[in-house]
Amino acid sequence: DAGVTQSPTHLIKTRGQQVTLRCSPKSGHDTVSWYQQALGQGPQFIFQYYEEEERQRGNFPDRFSGHQFPNYSSELNVNALLLGDSALYLCASSWGGSTETQYFGPGTRLLVL
Amino acid sequence: SQQGEEDPQALSIQEGENATMNCSYKTSINNLQWYRQNSGRGLVHLILIRSNEREKHSGRLRVTLDTSKKSSSLLITASRAADTASYFCATPSGTYKYIFGTGTRLKVLA
Repeated sequence: DAGVTQSPTHLIKTRGQQVTLRCSPKSGHDTVSWYQQALGQGPQFIFQYYEEEERQRGNFPDRFSGHQFPNYSSELNVNALLLGDSALYLCASSWGGSTETQYFGPGTRLLVL
Repeated sequence: SQQGEEDPQALSIQEGENATMNCSYKTSINNLQWYRQNSGRGLVHLILIRSNEREKHSGRLRVTLDTSKKSSSLLITASRAADTASYFCATPSGTYKYIFGTGTRLKVLA
């Protein structure tokens, strides 16, 4: 039973570029949440997808967008990258729209130069 | 904004000792979760405690919740080197969102 997978594991971009991060949820899960974790901080909620719709959004600008596909996998897109976007991006999956028990992927470490 | 704040920020103990970390939060909640994160990788869900529970156990973990003081504690008994990690509490904000604290970095020395 595969857990949550994310790709790529590491990524280096320059300011102004765009990036797409991918997440495959744990088998049987249909809900995906994305988090940004800066160094030394706790994860910050970006948004959540359920039934291919964005259900709730954290305090992030519109440069951050996402998508959920019919197979429940998800993408996180960040446009016009800033140095401050450098962080570990975590995807978490859960079942039935609940987020009481989330399973996290290993994350994608993004470095913006 | 951070809802939960862990204390202490860092903790170093010897193998076999107990480790206690605390979480304080600001608004009423119906549950609280604890997660572990090894070396900046993905988080692992440890335990969820509901507002009508005062204490919950899972193996060497004991979690308490005091809703009157808006605080929770995580106790790891008989710590092992493998327990070295960052520990976060998470509290619900709205229907679907959880807010994580800044974490306690635990180092268990062999």
